[in-house]
Amino acid sequence: QVQLQESGPGLVKPSETLSLICTVAGDSIGSSYWSWIRQPPGKSLEWIGYVYYDGSTHYNPSLQSRITMSVDTSNNQFSLKLTSVTPEDTAVYYCAREDVYGSGVWGQGTLVTVSS
Amino acid sequence: IQLTQSPSSLSASVGDRVTITCRASQGVRNSLVWYQQKPGNAPKLLIYAASTLRGGVPSRFSGSGSEANFTLTISSLQPEDFATYYCQQVNIYPRTFGGGTRVEIK
Repeated sequence: QVQLQESGPGLVKPSETLSLICTVAGDSIGSSYWSWIRQPPGKSLEWIGYVYYDGSTHYNPSLQSRITMSVDTSNNQFSLKLTSVTPEDTAVYYCAREDVYGSGVWGQGTLVTVSS
Repeated sequence: IQLTQSPSSLSASVGDRVTITCRASQGVRNSLVWYQQKPGNAPKLLIYAASTLRGGVPSRFSGSGSEANFTLTISSLQPEDFATYYCQQVNIYPRTFGGGTRVEIK
């Protein structure tokens, strides 16, 4: 059974960098595409981007200038960095396994609040 | 690609037939996914490729449509179906979601 778990700070100051890690259990990071999706409180979902095991990425153009995603195959993890955050980046951040059919496996999500 | 779901919310009773629509701003072939999300939980994939039920999902859920017009139908609403439903197009990056439809108890 595949399980994903997000980890990282729950509070980030404005203008700083949000950093999250997703740990994959029950599957090899080298088998799929891995994505980040966020959901502001009370709102819909926003696809942030994906990273493949070889390090190739595809980002949402709306966030592209501020995003970096990477993989750590030795620890079966992948990560998200979002720079220059503002309160509008406050959201529950989900990691997910993605394929051509959609996102079939999700982490439980982690709330990141941007506030001073 | 923008996805517009309607209605944004609805009230229904157990046993009711419920239909949710998702309209795309341009054709996405059959590359449309439906998710169910309950409060405090991650979304759960129900239907992919517009009409293919994911394994383990009850047969009262069904999906139809292609290109720009899609529907999710729950044939007989059950207590565990009260949730928010989202559509997502997976035809073109960036993948986008609809605004959601909240199904509440009448």
